[in-house]
Amino acid sequence: GAGVSQSPSNKVTEKGKDVELRCDPISGHTALYWYRQSLGQGLEFLIYFQGNSAPDKSGLPSDRFSAERTGGSVSTLTIQRTQQEDSAVYLCASSYRASGSYTDTQYFGPGTRLTVL
Amino acid sequence: QKEVEQNSGPLSVPEGAIASLNCTYSDRVSQSFFWYRQYSGKSPELIMSIYSNGDKEDGRFTAQLNKASQYVSLLIRDSQPSDSATYLCAVRYSSASKIIFGSGTRLSIRP
Repeated sequence: GAGVSQSPSNKVTEKGKDVELRCDPISGHTALYWYRQSLGQGLEFLIYFQGNSAPDKSGLPSDRFSAERTGGSVSTLTIQRTQQEDSAVYLCASSYRASGSYTDTQYFGPGTRLTVL
Repeated sequence: QKEVEQNSGPLSVPEGAIASLNCTYSDRVSQSFFWYRQYSGKSPELIMSIYSNGDKEDGRFTAQLNKASQYVSLLIRDSQPSDSATYLCAVRYSSASKIIFGSGTRLSIRP
C-alpha cells in the first residue's frame, strides 16, 4: 500500500515569504507527527496530532509556525515570514495508535527540503 | 525538559564485529523506546522497539532496556558495511505523549 507522502519534495523560497508543506499519512493512521532535521542533526519535534485530541504544539519554535490536520487525515505545516534558520528537512510521520496504547510504529515520509534564501 | 542523549560518534567498527550503540533518557516515567536507522539523505526507518526491561532480539539486532539506569542500547552483531548509517534513539514518555529523538550516532563499518 501507499506510504506517507509529502509535498513538495523541495522548496526554495525567499526570506519573508510564507510556505505550506503538506503531508498525506497512511490511510487509517490516527497519529501524525511533524519533525524538523537540520543538516547533520537529529530530529526536532514540532507538533503531534492524535485522533480528535487537541494537538501537542509544544515543539513549535515560534508563532510563525502552525499546523493543522483536516478530517483526521492530511496535514499542512505553515511557516510564515520564513527566516534563513528555518532551512531544514521537514519530516512527517504517521502511525496507528489505539487509545491509551504506547506501542506503535512511526512511518516516515520522504521529507520536504526547505531552503530559505 | 525531557531529553534523549546519544554519543554523536562517529563510531567505527570492523566488519563482522559487534557494534554497540547507547542512549540515555532523562525521565523515569518512560514507556516506549525505539531505535531508528537513517541512511544519508533518507528518512528514518524503525529497526527495533522495546517496552520492557531486558533484551529483545531480532535477527542481528538486540535492544537492551534498563529502566532503573534510564539506559537503552542497540547491539548489531556481525556488522556489515550496509549497517553504516546514523542510528537514532527515540523515547515516548507516556501513552499520550509525543516521541522525542536523540541527535543520533553515526556508525561506520570498515571492511
